[in-house]
This record gives sequence, C-alpha cells and structure tokens, in this order.
Amino acid sequence: KNEVEQSPQNLTAQEGEFITINCSYSVGISALHWLQQHPGGGIVSLFMLSSGKKKHGRLIATINIQEKHSSLHITASHPRDSAVYICAAVSGNDMRFGAGTRLTVKP
Amino acid sequence: NAGVTQTPKFQVLKTGQSMTLQCAQDMNHEYMSWYRQDPGMGLRLIHYSVGAGITDQGEVPNGYNVSRSTTEDFPLRLLSAAPSQTSVYFCASSRDSNQPQHFGDGTRLSIL
Repeated sequence: KNEVEQSPQNLTAQEGEFITINCSYSVGISALHWLQQHPGGGIVSLFMLSSGKKKHGRLIATINIQEKHSSLHITASHPRDSAVYICAAVSGNDMRFGAGTRLTVKP
Repeated sequence: NAGVTQTPKFQVLKTGQSMTLQCAQDMNHEYMSWYRQDPGMGLRLIHYSVGAGITDQGEVPNGYNVSRSTTEDFPLRLLSAAPSQTSVYFCASSRDSNQPQHFGDGTRLSIL
C-alpha cells in the first residue's frame, strides 16, 4: 500500500464545474504539498499546508491532520486547469508523493 | 530570474556508461533534492541535501550518487547506467523541506 494515496486517478469535467481531488496519507507529516504538472511536463508548487486551509484565486486546499487527509478544490474550472495534480507528504526531510490525478476540463 | 536550471534536457546512454545530471539554483536555497518520475509510479525522491556538505538518501537511492560542495549546485551521478534508470529526472530546491518547492524543467534520460 502506498503511503500517499490520491483519488481519483483521472477526472474529466465540463468547464465551470467544481472539482475536488483527494489525498490520504499514512505517515506522520510536517507539511503537505500540492503540485501541478502541466502537459509540457513542468512542475509548479501550488500550496504548502501544515494545517487548516489556504486559498489562491480559484484554488483552495484543505488539510485535516487528525484524519490524515487533504483536498484540493478548483472552483469554476477552466480548460487551462487541465493538468496532473500531485500531493506530496513531507516527513522530516523525506517526501513521498501520490501517483497524481489527471484532470481534463472540457469547454 | 533563472530559478532551478537542469542540464541536459535530453540524454541517451548505453548500459554501463556514466554521466552526471547538473542542477543549479540561484535562490540561495538550503534544501535541494532529486526525483525520478516513471509512468504509473509518480515522483520518487532519490537523494536530498539540507545544505552544503550534507546529503542523505531518499526512497530510491541505489545506483545514484550526489554531492553538495556549494549551496548552488547539486549534481546527480549515475556511475554505471542501467535500463531501469530510464526515467524523467527532476531537481528541486526550497528554503527547507516544509517550504514550497521550485522545480527544474526535467531531464529525460534513456538508457539503451
């Protein structure tokens, strides 16, 4: 069993829909990252969370430390949001990644 | 701003050859790390460094060496390349492991 599990693996949405991507982890963590990997392969850091909730534009990330679960929400999704979204659990200086969620937003 | 620079972008090697993947950052970050990304496996940490002179193993260190002689540079060495090391390699840096990571553009490596 992977230490970091993401769901769903693939997600197709219509433009404007509300998107939720889930991440569960089994290790104790000091922080959790959400990353976005563009179709061209580049990786961008979206959020780093250690508790609570963060918001940036249409993106919202939450984490529940007790339940070992984090979610990434995208409001009013747009085709340019199409990418692979990856969560990463930080334990000390080690980092373990989920397999990623491939999101496709259709116009 | 250069950020994190990886070279080369593409490389093809024969089994048994050695090579070094270069990674440099100009943000004075202490934490640097190397990952490999394989289809269906996601990103996996190979080695990391928390500062000049300090390196440690990640999840999949076998077959790879690293060193950190300066804050800016963190090269990854393949001593004797194997087909199982065919992958896309990413370098990243941050102030520490709990801070947002800055990724390089990746190196696509094929071992024949």
